[in-house]
Amino acid sequence: GQNIDQPTEMTATEGAIVQINCTYQTSGFNGLFWYQQHAGEAPTFLSYNVLDGLEEKGRFSSFLSRSKGYSYLLLKELQMKDSASYLCAVRERGGGNKLTFGTGTQLKVEL
Amino acid sequence: SAVISQKPSRDICQRGTSLTIQCQVDSQVTMMFWYRQQPGQSLTLIATANQGSEATYESGFVIDKFPISRPNLTFSTLTVSNMSPEDSSIYLCSVEVRTSGTRSYEQYFGPGTRLTVT
Repeated sequence: GQNIDQPTEMTATEGAIVQINCTYQTSGFNGLFWYQQHAGEAPTFLSYNVLDGLEEKGRFSSFLSRSKGYSYLLLKELQMKDSASYLCAVRERGGGNKLTFGTGTQLKVEL
Repeated sequence: SAVISQKPSRDICQRGTSLTIQCQVDSQVTMMFWYRQQPGQSLTLIATANQGSEATYESGFVIDKFPISRPNLTFSTLTVSNMSPEDSSIYLCSVEVRTSGTRSYEQYFGPGTRLTVT
């Protein structure tokens, strides 16, 4: 089984940087995903990490430490449209490639 | 990437009836999944839709309640049977795509089907 923890909500200022953390426990780690979900919409794929280190994609970066069971999503130059729920999901080895999702972090970007 | 469509986008159904949700992908994919997202909650995997064989269900979900078809590599259906108000939820189809030449996997979601059971 898996246990995935994320903060429930965060607030940040437009133009700033915010880091959303995710910790997990799994019997056979095989990758970690980050998704963005606006209210009433489907989740949108942001990033996939399977090796330790930082993956950068424009304003969004994702970091993974497998030994610590830890990941974070870094959002730079925050914009109002970044207000959304951010979901961390872990893929388990031998689990048929299925994903287990955390409860999500609701990010509110303020002026 | 993959473009996924779902039908219907939303429906209001009476308890005791059944609804079949369709998922169509614009390319052949091996892995296809069905998720449920209840109001204010995260996503829960219902089952993996396997092409040519029975779906693999997660704990708490059974074939009689959520029969799934996967006739080919681009299409799947999920039926919500004998519905009750507790089945009111968003149902999402998802596919996994492996980026060619890398170890990177991307999993994409369809737009979802918003189901309300009265």
